Amino acid sequence: QQQVKQSPQSLIVQKGGISIINCAYENTAFDYFPWYQQFPGKGPALLIAIRPDVSEKKEGRFTISFNKSAKQFSLHIMDSQPGDSATYFCAASYSGYSTLTFGKGTMLLVSP
Amino acid sequence: KAGVTQTPRYLIKTRGQQVTLSCSPISGHRSVSWYQQTPGQGLQFLFEYFSETQRNKGNFPGRFSGRQFSNSRSEMNVSTLELGDSALYLCASSSTGGLNTEAFFGQGTRLTVV
Repeated sequence: QQQVKQSPQSLIVQKGGISIINCAYENTAFDYFPWYQQFPGKGPALLIAIRPDVSEKKEGRFTISFNKSAKQFSLHIMDSQPGDSATYFCAASYSGYSTLTFGKGTMLLVSP
Repeated sequence: KAGVTQTPRYLIKTRGQQVTLSCSPISGHRSVSWYQQTPGQGLQFLFEYFSETQRNKGNFPGRFSGRQFSNSRSEMNVSTLELGDSALYLCASSSTGGLNTEAFFGQGTRLTVV
């Protein structure tokens, strides 16, 4: 049973464009939603995270939008750059637990 | 501050053998979690240790086991290796596993079973 569904599987965006990756979750007990960025040969690195008490969080070019009623959250990468080309994972967990349930990942390619 | 260190980085083992992977968390972090990453299944949770106790376990067979030492370093063991165990094994550390659930990952150990 996949508790966090991520789409699309892959995405090609032109330099300067907006990259949008979506995730949906099933378990309403989840209350922490991080996004990880992974480059080939590296472990995932935390990019940005949100809790359900806010609907949006922005850090630089990266924004998380959160819709609690729809059980959906998304990552927006503004002014996408070739250096953003990586695999992005959304995840979810409960307070008090370190266990992360991951989406399947989105391979982003930003063309120059 | 040093990051999460996993050793070895690469391993090649034969079916039926066993393997032990090591993880040194960030200094001061007491929670260590292990994940298996494969192209087909993505990142799947194996187990979590906190203060030398297994606190949570994923849906993996008993061939997968782990432990944590008093200095928070952790090892995971896979016995009777199968071809399907070929994967990147990732270790993540966090400070308490409480409200601050930010997890930091190591670079992983790439295990190939032949």
